[in-house]
Amino acid sequence: DAGITQSPRHKVTETGTPVTLRCHQTENHRYMYWYRQDPGHGLRLIHYSYGVKDTDKGEVSDGYSVSRSKTEDFLLTLESATSSQTSVYFCAISETLPGLSTGELFFGEGSRLTVL
Amino acid sequence: AQSVAQPEDQVNVAEGNPLTVKCTYSVSGNPYLFWYVQYPNRGLQFLLKYITGDNLVKGSYGFEAEFNKSQTSFHLKKPSALVSDSALYFCAVGGIGSARQLTFGSGTQLTVLP
Repeated sequence: DAGITQSPRHKVTETGTPVTLRCHQTENHRYMYWYRQDPGHGLRLIHYSYGVKDTDKGEVSDGYSVSRSKTEDFLLTLESATSSQTSVYFCAISETLPGLSTGELFFGEGSRLTVL
Repeated sequence: AQSVAQPEDQVNVAEGNPLTVKCTYSVSGNPYLFWYVQYPNRGLQFLLKYITGDNLVKGSYGFEAEFNKSQTSFHLKKPSALVSDSALYFCAVGGIGSARQLTFGSGTQLTVLP
């Protein structure tokens, strides 16, 4: 299994509080991604990173920010959590772009966030 | 914009029977197509991919998928289903202009009945 650790794995918080999810990899892969998984929607990309301090928005980036100060760590921050952000969040990594020969994604175990 | 459709939320099949999980896509240019599987309370795992070449792609655990450009489909298949194949399956597509981003389908829950 790819060395991807997400923390925390479970979190319950209240509306309006800040939340930070951490993704840590030991594979030295260049690309890192944050997805959210919701019933009926599959996985939707929130933000991704293509190198240290290089990040870009995905499909559902509103209300989220990210940071990547080291190759191995990619942080997802909800500045002021809302109930609509209740979801399961997955971090993924890839060595190359998804369209290239080795571009498959490796996923972490997920972080379940409940916003009350 | 690229998109993926998995028309069936749920597929049930008897153990030993062939299974098919359907996927159709829309993308500009040549597609990059993937299948992932998710077991309960786990992250997604890569099954197989089509980038170029042979339209029939073989992957992990005996799964295969057939790329059909004219029908814009990439259906997942297995000749003989196992109970342990029961899981949530996701199709994903990427294109040249958006190679950093994969678009996932909504998922199909496969249940293999003993």
